[in-house]
Amino acid sequence: NAGVTQTPKFRILKIGQSMTLQCTQDMNHNYMYWYRQDPGMGLKLIYYSVGAGITDKGEVPNGYNVSRSTTEDFPLRLELAAPSQTSVYFCAIATREGAGGITDTQYFGPGTRLTVL
Amino acid sequence: QKEVEQDPGPLSVPEGAIVSLNCTYSNSAFQYFMWYRQYSRKGPELLMYTYSSGNKEDGRFTAQVDKSSKYISLFIRDSQPSDSATYLCAMTRNTNAGKSTFGDGTTLTVKP
Repeated sequence: NAGVTQTPKFRILKIGQSMTLQCTQDMNHNYMYWYRQDPGMGLKLIYYSVGAGITDKGEVPNGYNVSRSTTEDFPLRLELAAPSQTSVYFCAIATREGAGGITDTQYFGPGTRLTVL
Repeated sequence: QKEVEQDPGPLSVPEGAIVSLNCTYSNSAFQYFMWYRQYSRKGPELLMYTYSSGNKEDGRFTAQVDKSSKYISLFIRDSQPSDSATYLCAMTRNTNAGKSTFGDGTTLTVKP
């Protein structure tokens, strides 16, 4: 998980509380992503960013917000936390590899385990 | 119907066995194919990526892509207990902001 830092590692929230999950990278990659992973399931894209100042919705954006004021940071904001948001949240960055530099493989942070009670 | 379907597992094999992990997909626009390994309570880590149909080998791991059948596989030879993890396949379209579509993962246990 080198290059992508996530804080906090664990958090318990009460219903209706809000919090910000932090993601920082030191690899100067333009593309950053937020995923959630529910138990026994794959990764679902919440939001992504192709560069500072540019963000877009993924598959499951409801209940979340993001901002990207710098290349390094991509925080995820939860407003009015709900039990359905109990999950593990992963931040990822993408680097271009392959012939012609036209593919993007992703590198993940260690994750934040969030429980909403 | 999901765009990417992954054999659900779980899979349990003895040490030294050959393991085959498989995904199918429905969108012919997918051009890049990745396999990630995820240990318990850790983030996914990239294992292999491929672009074209055919095989790509890296040590004990071989990634196979058959675009005509929309089918990809990851083979692990001489499996080790340290290979015990969840394996996720992922695919991307060209120029799609790097957004990958992931399978739900297959959990593998290699018993000593």
